[in-house]
Amino acid sequence: DVKVTQSSRYLVKRTGEKVFLECVQDMDHENMFWYRQDPGLGLRLIYFSYDVKMKEKGDIPEGYSVSREKKERFSLILESASTNQTSMYLCASSLARLRVTEAFFGQGTRLTVV
Amino acid sequence: TQLLEQSPQFLSIQEGENLTVYCNSSSVFSSLQWYRQEPGEGPVLLVTVVTGGEVKKLKRLTFQFGDARKDSSLHITAAQPGDTGLYLCLGLRAGNNRKLIWGLGTSLAVNP
Repeated sequence: DVKVTQSSRYLVKRTGEKVFLECVQDMDHENMFWYRQDPGLGLRLIYFSYDVKMKEKGDIPEGYSVSREKKERFSLILESASTNQTSMYLCASSLARLRVTEAFFGQGTRLTVV
Repeated sequence: TQLLEQSPQFLSIQEGENLTVYCNSSSVFSSLQWYRQEPGEGPVLLVTVVTGGEVKKLKRLTFQFGDARKDSSLHITAAQPGDTGLYLCLGLRAGNNRKLIWGLGTSLAVNP
């Protein structure tokens, strides 16, 4: 069974903390994505990666960075967490970025910044 | 500007009723996908449509891609409580400026 695993289901962090969200996929997919999902705003792309050590900014990259040192792992980093980063974070992977392929999602990490 | 308009935003119906959810745009899409997201989970792919006018059926769910590939619909017949969830459309915009674009979703509640 294909799987995208996010390291935490729930996280509570303090304002100003550095936060790491980890995502691992076991499908040997080239492409990995980080989204945040907020009520009324849908899924918004933060960053994506189409290869190891490669990354591209999505629609809302400000306040975030990413790391992809291995093909199966894609990390999202909040350099200095702020309350407006409280959200549901979803990681996804797919075989191809701009072709018709299925995206597989993790279960999400609900992050609360206090 | 929302490039992929999804409607309705919320829908609450009784078990056994039929419903239709729409995704509309002024842009042309190479393909369009429908996902369902259950509470506390990530979205899961239901279907991909790629040809204008295409109709696909998945048990009680019928998906249609518009002839001009600018819109799509999802029709559920005899809805069941297990259909409850957030339905999302994802389009791959055609042309030189290709981009994946998500609709905002339709939250469906089917009451027993």
